[in-house]
Amino acid sequence: EAGVAQSPRYKIIEKRQSVAFWCNPISGHATLYWYQQILGQGPKLLIQFQNNGVVDDSQLPKDRFSAERLKGVDSTLKIQPAKLEDSAVYLCASSLNRGARETQYFGPGTRLLVL
Amino acid sequence: AQSVTQLDSQVPVFEEAPVELRCNYSSSVSVYLFWYVQYPNQGLQLLLKYLSGSTLVESINGFEAEFNKSQTSFHLRKPSVHISDTAEYFCAVSRDSGGYQKVTFGIGTKLQVIP
Repeated sequence: EAGVAQSPRYKIIEKRQSVAFWCNPISGHATLYWYQQILGQGPKLLIQFQNNGVVDDSQLPKDRFSAERLKGVDSTLKIQPAKLEDSAVYLCASSLNRGARETQYFGPGTRLLVL
Repeated sequence: AQSVTQLDSQVPVFEEAPVELRCNYSSSVSVYLFWYVQYPNQGLQLLLKYLSGSTLVESINGFEAEFNKSQTSFHLRKPSVHISDTAEYFCAVSRDSGGYQKVTFGIGTKLQVIP
């Protein structure tokens, strides 16, 4: 089966610009996650979707970050305007079901550099 | 709340030598434990997980981890490492949160296998 797809793989922007990342999860996976991984740290959850509904966005900086999963399949994460501290790898993951025992399947990530 | 501690940020080891990557966690509720591996320029992928039953779990490529509830640890071991094991290893704890998965990752341990 095809894995989690993400694009672009790399992005360089200047501060105050906007940027969008796209994720297509594994077919049939109902749960989708966006993580931010800053250099030297573990992935930090930004937002979690169950189908097209938001389950957890408690750590999403909502003044500048937004995400959607309109049809319950692919998802877009946007940053507007970007700050220097947003430089990180943005990981998308999906799981078949929503329970605590589930394995998450990760995409290759989008590496963002904000200058 | 839950937390994960990976005390070693980098572990250099010679090829064919044994290795242990340490992981300690804290949680006020029951958790499930995971080790994910991230090879260069790739996303995270599941290495092994403890859900229930035998406290010793194994991966297909020779790694094993033992769940120790009294010491709140889930250390990862391999008796003889290969060059191909060079990667970053993340310990993660997962708990139920309103029927959904709540995962916390450690900061990761970079395993460098020296020829």
